[in-house]
Amino acid sequence: GQQVMQIPQYQHVQEGEDFTTYCNSSTTLSNIQWYKQRPGGHPVFLIQLVKSGEVKKQKRLTFQFGEAKKNSSLHITATQTTDVGTYFCAGYTGTASKLTFGTGTRLQVTL
Amino acid sequence: NAGVTQTPKFQVLKTGQSMTLQCAQDMNHEYMSWYRQDPGMGLRLIHYSVGAGITDQGEVPNGYNVSRSTTEDFPLRLLSAAPSQTSVYFCASSYSYRGGSPLHFGNGTRLTVT
Repeated sequence: GQQVMQIPQYQHVQEGEDFTTYCNSSTTLSNIQWYKQRPGGHPVFLIQLVKSGEVKKQKRLTFQFGEAKKNSSLHITATQTTDVGTYFCAGYTGTASKLTFGTGTRLQVTL
Repeated sequence: NAGVTQTPKFQVLKTGQSMTLQCAQDMNHEYMSWYRQDPGMGLRLIHYSVGAGITDQGEVPNGYNVSRSTTEDFPLRLLSAAPSQTSVYFCASSYSYRGGSPLHFGNGTRLTVT
Protein backbone atom coordinates (compact mmCIF):
# COMPACT_ATOMS: atom_id res chain seq x y z
CA GLY A 1 0.00 0.00 0.00
CA GLN A 2 0.90 3.63 -0.19
CA GLN A 3 3.44 4.82 2.36
CA VAL A 4 4.24 8.40 3.24
CA MET A 5 7.29 9.08 5.35
CA GLN A 6 8.41 12.33 6.91
CA ILE A 7 11.80 13.39 8.19
CA PRO A 8 12.90 14.37 10.67
CA GLN A 9 10.61 12.81 13.24
CA TYR A 10 11.47 15.55 15.72
CA GLN A 11 13.34 18.85 15.62
CA HIS A 12 14.17 21.32 18.34
CA VAL A 13 15.18 24.83 17.25
CA GLN A 14 15.88 28.16 18.87
CA GLU A 15 13.40 30.89 18.06
CA GLY A 16 14.49 32.67 14.91
CA GLU A 17 16.11 29.62 13.30
CA ASP A 18 14.71 28.07 10.14
CA PHE A 19 13.00 24.68 9.99
CA THR A 20 12.29 22.24 7.17
CA THR A 21 10.35 18.99 7.11
CA TYR A 22 10.40 16.60 4.16
CA CYS A 23 7.66 14.30 2.97
CA ASN A 24 8.28 11.30 0.68
CA SER A 25 5.71 9.01 -0.86
CA SER A 26 6.26 5.53 -2.24
CA THR A 27 3.77 6.31 -5.03
CA THR A 28 2.90 9.29 -7.18
CA LEU A 29 0.41 11.64 -5.54
CA SER A 30 -2.40 13.47 -7.30
CA ASN A 31 -2.12 16.23 -4.72
CA ILE A 32 -0.64 16.80 -1.29
CA GLN A 33 -2.02 18.55 1.75
CA TRP A 34 -0.28 19.86 4.86
CA TYR A 35 -1.75 19.96 8.35
CA LYS A 36 -0.58 21.35 11.69
CA GLN A 37 -1.49 19.84 15.03
CA ARG A 38 -0.83 21.86 18.16
CA PRO A 39 -0.02 19.88 21.34
CA GLY A 40 -3.24 18.36 22.67
CA GLY A 41 -5.18 19.54 19.64
CA HIS A 42 -6.46 18.20 16.38
CA PRO A 43 -4.94 18.52 12.90
CA VAL A 44 -5.78 21.73 11.09
CA PHE A 45 -5.52 22.11 7.32
CA LEU A 46 -2.80 24.49 6.12
CA ILE A 47 -2.57 24.18 2.35
CA GLN A 48 -2.92 21.95 -0.71
CA LEU A 49 -0.51 21.57 -3.63
CA VAL A 50 -1.65 20.06 -6.90
CA LYS A 51 0.79 20.83 -9.71
CA SER A 52 4.21 19.32 -10.28
CA GLY A 53 6.89 21.71 -9.01
CA GLU A 54 4.33 23.97 -7.34
CA VAL A 55 5.51 26.41 -4.66
CA LYS A 56 3.13 28.23 -2.33
CA LYS A 57 3.83 30.66 0.49
CA GLN A 58 1.89 31.56 3.60
CA LYS A 59 3.75 34.32 5.42
CA ARG A 60 6.85 32.58 6.84
CA LEU A 61 5.83 29.12 5.54
CA THR A 62 6.91 27.87 2.10
CA PHE A 63 5.47 24.67 0.65
CA GLN A 64 6.89 22.81 -2.33
CA PHE A 65 5.63 19.87 -4.37
CA GLY A 66 8.27 17.85 -6.16
CA GLU A 67 8.56 17.58 -9.92
CA ALA A 68 7.75 13.86 -9.82
CA LYS A 69 4.87 14.47 -7.40
CA LYS A 70 6.31 11.97 -4.93
CA ASN A 71 7.79 14.38 -2.43
CA SER A 72 7.07 17.67 -0.75
CA SER A 73 8.59 20.00 1.79
CA LEU A 74 7.54 22.63 4.29
CA HIS A 75 10.04 25.33 5.23
CA ILE A 76 9.48 27.79 8.05
CA THR A 77 11.63 30.91 8.08
CA ALA A 78 12.56 32.48 11.41
CA THR A 79 10.53 30.18 13.64
CA GLN A 80 8.41 31.54 16.47
CA THR A 81 7.07 29.81 19.57
CA THR A 82 3.65 29.81 17.94
CA ASP A 83 5.03 27.39 15.32
CA VAL A 84 5.28 24.61 17.93
CA GLY A 85 3.36 21.50 16.95
CA THR A 86 3.41 18.49 14.68
CA TYR A 87 3.31 18.99 10.94
CA PHE A 88 1.78 16.31 8.76
CA CYS A 89 1.74 15.89 5.02
CA ALA A 90 -1.07 13.85 3.49
CA GLY A 91 -1.65 12.65 -0.03
CA TYR A 92 -4.16 11.11 -2.37
CA THR A 93 -3.17 8.68 -5.08
CA GLY A 94 -5.18 8.78 -8.29
CA THR A 95 -8.90 8.77 -7.70
CA ALA A 96 -8.70 7.05 -4.31
CA SER A 97 -10.85 8.46 -1.56
CA LYS A 98 -8.24 7.60 1.01
CA LEU A 99 -6.04 10.38 2.32
CA THR A 100 -2.82 8.84 3.62
CA PHE A 101 -1.00 10.83 6.28
CA GLY A 102 2.72 10.99 6.77
CA THR A 103 4.34 10.07 10.05
CA GLY A 104 4.62 13.72 11.09
CA THR A 105 7.43 16.00 12.26
CA ARG A 106 7.22 17.41 15.76
CA LEU A 107 8.69 20.90 16.05
CA GLN A 108 9.77 22.35 19.36
CA VAL A 109 10.80 26.02 19.50
CA THR A 110 12.48 27.55 22.51
CA LEU A 111 13.51 31.12 23.28
CA ASN B 1 -21.87 26.10 13.22
CA ALA B 2 -20.24 23.43 15.41
CA GLY B 3 -18.20 21.70 12.68
CA VAL B 4 -17.24 18.12 13.61
CA THR B 5 -18.33 17.01 17.08
CA GLN B 6 -16.91 13.91 18.74
CA THR B 7 -18.06 12.30 21.97
CA PRO B 8 -16.83 11.28 24.44
CA LYS B 9 -13.53 13.14 24.90
CA PHE B 10 -12.09 10.44 27.16
CA GLN B 11 -12.99 6.81 27.71
CA VAL B 12 -11.51 3.94 29.67
CA LEU B 13 -12.57 0.40 28.77
CA LYS B 14 -11.72 -3.03 30.04
CA THR B 15 -10.54 -5.66 27.59
CA GLY B 16 -13.52 -7.26 25.86
CA GLN B 17 -15.94 -4.40 26.40
CA SER B 18 -17.65 -2.75 23.46
CA MET B 19 -18.46 0.88 22.87
CA THR B 20 -19.38 3.41 20.22
CA LEU B 21 -17.51 6.62 19.50
CA GLN B 22 -19.88 9.24 18.19
CA CYS B 23 -19.16 11.68 15.36
CA ALA B 24 -21.48 14.29 13.91
CA GLN B 25 -20.92 17.11 11.42
CA ASP B 26 -23.22 19.97 10.55
CA MET B 27 -21.53 21.12 7.34
CA ASN B 28 -23.43 18.80 4.98
CA HIS B 29 -20.13 17.15 4.09
CA GLU B 30 -20.21 14.20 1.74
CA TYR B 31 -17.10 12.48 3.06
CA MET B 32 -16.46 11.28 6.61
CA SER B 33 -13.63 9.22 8.04
CA TRP B 34 -12.10 7.85 11.21
CA TYR B 35 -8.38 7.95 12.01
CA ARG B 36 -6.39 6.69 14.92
CA GLN B 37 -3.25 8.44 16.07
CA ASP B 38 -0.43 6.61 17.80
CA PRO B 39 3.01 8.03 18.70
CA GLY B 40 5.45 7.88 15.79
CA MET B 41 2.86 6.46 13.40
CA GLY B 42 0.98 9.51 12.26
CA LEU B 43 -2.71 9.21 11.50
CA ARG B 44 -3.95 5.90 10.15
CA LEU B 45 -7.27 5.57 8.36
CA ILE B 46 -9.69 3.09 9.94
CA HIS B 47 -12.90 3.45 7.88
CA TYR B 48 -14.39 6.06 5.63
CA SER B 49 -17.67 6.92 3.94
CA VAL B 50 -18.36 8.78 0.69
CA GLY B 51 -22.04 9.26 1.45
CA ALA B 52 -25.00 7.99 3.41
CA GLY B 53 -25.30 4.21 3.17
CA ILE B 54 -21.75 3.77 1.81
CA THR B 55 -18.73 2.76 3.89
CA ASP B 56 -15.35 1.25 3.12
CA GLN B 57 -12.27 0.04 4.91
CA GLY B 58 -9.14 2.05 5.42
CA GLU B 59 -5.67 0.96 6.41
CA VAL B 60 -6.45 -0.52 9.86
CA PRO B 61 -10.13 -1.64 9.93
CA ASN B 62 -9.87 -4.81 12.03
CA GLY B 63 -11.81 -4.65 15.30
CA TYR B 64 -13.92 -1.68 14.22
CA ASN B 65 -17.31 -1.28 12.56
CA VAL B 66 -18.96 1.80 11.08
CA SER B 67 -22.27 2.78 9.58
CA ARG B 68 -23.54 5.90 7.82
CA SER B 69 -27.31 6.04 8.04
CA THR B 70 -27.42 9.83 7.68
CA THR B 71 -25.15 12.44 6.10
CA GLU B 72 -24.47 13.96 9.51
CA ASP B 73 -23.48 10.96 11.64
CA PHE B 74 -20.66 8.44 11.38
CA PRO B 75 -20.28 6.36 14.57
CA LEU B 76 -17.31 4.05 15.14
CA ARG B 77 -17.98 0.84 17.05
CA LEU B 78 -15.36 -1.16 18.91
CA LEU B 79 -16.67 -4.70 19.02
CA SER B 80 -14.43 -6.20 21.71
CA ALA B 81 -11.85 -3.74 22.99
CA ALA B 82 -8.20 -4.78 23.15
CA PRO B 83 -5.21 -2.97 24.70
CA SER B 84 -3.84 -2.47 21.14
CA GLN B 85 -6.79 -0.16 20.52
CA THR B 86 -5.55 2.31 23.10
CA SER B 87 -5.15 5.43 20.99
CA VAL B 88 -6.49 8.86 20.15
CA TYR B 89 -9.33 8.66 17.64
CA PHE B 90 -10.19 11.48 15.26
CA CYS B 91 -13.24 11.83 13.11
CA ALA B 92 -12.84 14.02 10.03
CA SER B 93 -15.09 15.20 7.23
CA SER B 94 -14.70 16.98 3.93
CA TYR B 95 -16.96 18.55 1.36
CA SER B 96 -16.21 16.03 -1.37
CA TYR B 97 -14.90 12.47 -1.51
CA ARG B 98 -13.20 13.08 -4.86
CA GLY B 99 -9.97 14.16 -3.22
CA GLY B 100 -8.60 17.62 -2.80
CA SER B 101 -11.06 18.89 -0.23
CA PRO B 102 -9.51 19.77 3.13
CA LEU B 103 -10.37 17.53 6.05
CA HIS B 104 -12.08 19.10 9.07
CA PHE B 105 -11.24 17.23 12.25
CA GLY B 106 -13.11 16.79 15.49
CA ASN B 107 -11.38 17.33 18.82
CA GLY B 108 -10.63 13.65 19.27
CA THR B 109 -11.43 10.87 21.71
CA ARG B 110 -8.68 9.54 23.94
CA LEU B 111 -9.35 5.84 24.55
CA THR B 112 -7.54 3.66 27.04
CA VAL B 113 -8.13 -0.09 27.13
CA THR B 114 -6.89 -1.88 30.23
